[in-house]
Amino acid sequence: DSGVTQTPKHLITATGQRVTLRCSPRSGDLSVYWYQQSLDQGLQFLIQYYNGEERAKGNILERFSAQQFPDLHSELNLSSLELGDSALYFCASSATGGTGELFFGEGSRLTVL
Amino acid sequence: AQKITQTQPGMFVQEKEAVTLDCTYDTSDPSYGLFWYKQPSSGEMIFLIYQGSYDQQNATEGRYSLNFQKARKSANLVISASQLGDSAMYFCAMREHNNAGNMLTFGGGTRLMVKP
Repeated sequence: DSGVTQTPKHLITATGQRVTLRCSPRSGDLSVYWYQQSLDQGLQFLIQYYNGEERAKGNILERFSAQQFPDLHSELNLSSLELGDSALYFCASSATGGTGELFFGEGSRLTVL
Repeated sequence: AQKITQTQPGMFVQEKEAVTLDCTYDTSDPSYGLFWYKQPSSGEMIFLIYQGSYDQQNATEGRYSLNFQKARKSANLVISASQLGDSAMYFCAMREHNNAGNMLTFGGGTRLMVKP
């Protein structure tokens, strides 16, 4: 158990819809990262927050947005969903300093039909 | 250019044999870290091993060791005495000191299959 909690674990929805994925980082971790893993692909970095502020942005679509709340949990919002958005979405957190190891949640598997 | 390259999409290894999974990286940052993660079929990402760019010795963690060749920019994972439970996807990743967010950049992965 990494200590990172993601909900929901599975989500099935239709094209054009909007979903919200939720992540609670490990206790004490200020950084939250979102990654997307499409079928049999590597992990693509989407966005990172540090203590409520956006820190870095990767290949995140304009239809996607995220935020980190004062209690440090984060949400990833995916809107106007397309078939190609079907993927496993990971949240990870890391401690300040150290090696930079990311602790991953179990992922949220999104299926868009 | 790809920052992390894993050239072996899939590999087979006989149980109890050793196996090497290749990883090469590209960076101009003198300070960076290299990681290996395991992703079993259940989907979770499991941290295996870490190597810092300034570490003098190759990292080891139990049956995992990292063959770090800085001049060649390679960071191969060696798994000794393979077990059936080692069958999984393996990802190499890099963190560059100068990137704003401290995120990891991942390679495309290698699927390892251990034969009984």
